[in-house]
Amino acid sequence: SQKIEQNSEALNIQEGKTATLTCNYTNYSPAYLQWYRQDPGRGPVFLLLIRENEKEKRKERLKVTFDTTLKQSLFHITASQPADSATYLCALAPRSGNTGKLIFGQGTTLQVKP
Amino acid sequence: EAQVTQNPRYLITVTGKKLTVTCSQNMNHEYMSWYRQDPGLGLRQIYYSMNVEVTDKGDVPEGYKVSRKEKRNFPLILESPSPNQTSLYFCASSNTMSETQYFGPGTRLLVL
Repeated sequence: SQKIEQNSEALNIQEGKTATLTCNYTNYSPAYLQWYRQDPGRGPVFLLLIRENEKEKRKERLKVTFDTTLKQSLFHITASQPADSATYLCALAPRSGNTGKLIFGQGTTLQVKP
Repeated sequence: EAQVTQNPRYLITVTGKKLTVTCSQNMNHEYMSWYRQDPGLGLRQIYYSMNVEVTDKGDVPEGYKVSRKEKRNFPLILESPSPNQTSLYFCASSNTMSETQYFGPGTRLLVL
């Protein structure tokens, strides 16, 4: 069956450390992956998009990698801050025809402690 | 200000009473989509629209209808709501499918 999985357990790290979140998928051929941040009671906010032919993307303290062999994307926040505490969602766009489908993982909650 | 708006933000209704949740964007985006978010199940796509008069089913379309008569609006219609449609609903839009997707603030629906 097709699945997109994120670690359901919360990730707790100390301020200043690098947070690494994982997104694994099975039985999909993604055209690209997106990462979002969601705060409680709010809509998701887009962070980064990485295409199937890209290995890595960076934006300020954020870095995303995409390994189509491992079927995995990693999301890194360097020099983490308490303000980075939120739930982070990955979303996958299947590469199958002219589809507008977007499949989300369940999200991983990050807690950065001062 | 560029934004996606949803109305209402909160709604309590009863089984079988038809309702519409409106979604509007002011960014001239072609792509719009509806999601529901439930604890333990994450965000699931209900319907999406690639452009005016072009709509297609997402992963959980049963019990929902949509229309895209004009570019800025993408209403979600529940013809006969049931308690299992109690959820948090998000509308989103983007210029194209593969660009930054902007989400609305959400509509919390309770069906009794």
